[in-house]
Amino acid sequence: SQKIEQNSEALNIQEGKTATLTCNYTNYSPAYLQWYRQDPGRGPVFLLLIRENEKEKRKERLKVTFDTTLKQSLFHITASQPADSATYLCALLNSGNTPLVFGKGTRLSVIA
Amino acid sequence: DAGVIQSPRHEVTEMGQEVTLRCKPISGHNSLFWYRQTMMRGLELLIYFNNNVPIDDSGMPEDRFSAKMPNASFSTLKIQPSEPRDSAVYFCASSTTTSGPYNEQFFGPGTRLTVL
Repeated sequence: SQKIEQNSEALNIQEGKTATLTCNYTNYSPAYLQWYRQDPGRGPVFLLLIRENEKEKRKERLKVTFDTTLKQSLFHITASQPADSATYLCALLNSGNTPLVFGKGTRLSVIA
Repeated sequence: DAGVIQSPRHEVTEMGQEVTLRCKPISGHNSLFWYRQTMMRGLELLIYFNNNVPIDDSGMPEDRFSAKMPNASFSTLKIQPSEPRDSAVYFCASSTTTSGPYNEQFFGPGTRLTVL
């Protein structure tokens, strides 16, 4: 069966450290992978997109990697801040016009 | 732009009642998505429209759920009759697919539905 798994429901880290979140998938062949941030009581907000032929994408303190052999994406936040505390969702898009499929998310808490 | 607008923000109803959720997508966006989010199941796609036409409704849980998009600026999701297990946060999202299917989706603030 098809699955998207994000490494843990919750992750706590100290301010200033690098947070690493994992997204693993099974029985998908995604052409694209997206990461979203969701704050309590709000809808998800798009952060980054990475294509299957890209190894890495960066945006300010964010970095995403995509390994189609391992069937895994890693999402890094460097120099983390308490304001980065939120739930982060990965989402897959298979080739063609199939819609996004979301993981359940990882709740990140950055402790000052 | 005001972003995606959803109403109501909160809805409390009794089992058996009809519930209608409303969504106004971002102007110019030609795709609209309805999602349901629960702790147990995460964010699930219910149905999506492209140019006002329903493309995939395989995520609609039962015949009790129906969705319409009569024009480019309005969509409804209706549950009739509602059941306690329908309690969740319902999100509407829109995107533009003119340059490909991978564009980011813009989510509304959601409607928190509680069915007693």
